[in-house]
Amino acid sequence: EVQLVESGGGLVQPGGSLRLSCATSGFTFSNFEMVWVRQAPGKGLEWVSYIDSTGDTLFYTESVKGRFLISRDNAKNSLYLQMNSLRGEDTSVYYCARPSPDSSGWRAFDYWGQGTLVTVSS
Amino acid sequence: QSALTQPASVSGSPEQSITISCTGSSSDVGAYKFVSWYQQYPGKAPKLIIYDVTKRPSGVSNRFSGSKSGNTASLTISGLQAEDEADYYCSSYTRSSTWVFGGGTKLTVL
Repeated sequence: EVQLVESGGGLVQPGGSLRLSCATSGFTFSNFEMVWVRQAPGKGLEWVSYIDSTGDTLFYTESVKGRFLISRDNAKNSLYLQMNSLRGEDTSVYYCARPSPDSSGWRAFDYWGQGTLVTVSS
Repeated sequence: QSALTQPASVSGSPEQSITISCTGSSSDVGAYKFVSWYQQYPGKAPKLIIYDVTKRPSGVSNRFSGSKSGNTASLTISGLQAEDEADYYCSSYTRSSTWVFGGGTKLTVL
């Protein structure tokens, strides 16, 4: 059974840092690209970042460029999101998600974690 | 990258059909066949219900169908059931190698 479990969320002050983790199981993690998606309270989904299977190719949404860093450890089957210089608008539930191999371009997300809440507030 | 445009809410009676539109641009929806739709219940993670514009993952009811014309994609739910009441999001891969989601549509089953 495929499982994605996020952790590391919490309350942080503006300007602070936080590192999210996503522990995976039930599939060959090293073969899959991965993404982070977030959802502000009462708002819609927003794609945040992408990493390819080797960690060599990274993409970010404009609002987090230079502040967030996505990474992975294939030996630990884990995905990470280092978030620095956090702002109030970063307050969201953060989901890790796996692109679907059934999608011809692996451009849809078939498995999601339960999410971890990040609250940026003084 | 601006969010894709979806109606904020739609409603329908049981057994009726509804359609949710998702309008983007030639840089996203119109560029590829990589449009997907997600169903989300309050407090839960999104669930993939349509990918590659028209395809359904295993286990998803055939009451859900997708289509696309130009820069607008659509999700149709036929034979509405009470359990379909949820939020629905479209998503598209973009020419910038990023993804963009719609603002979400709240479906109410009357």
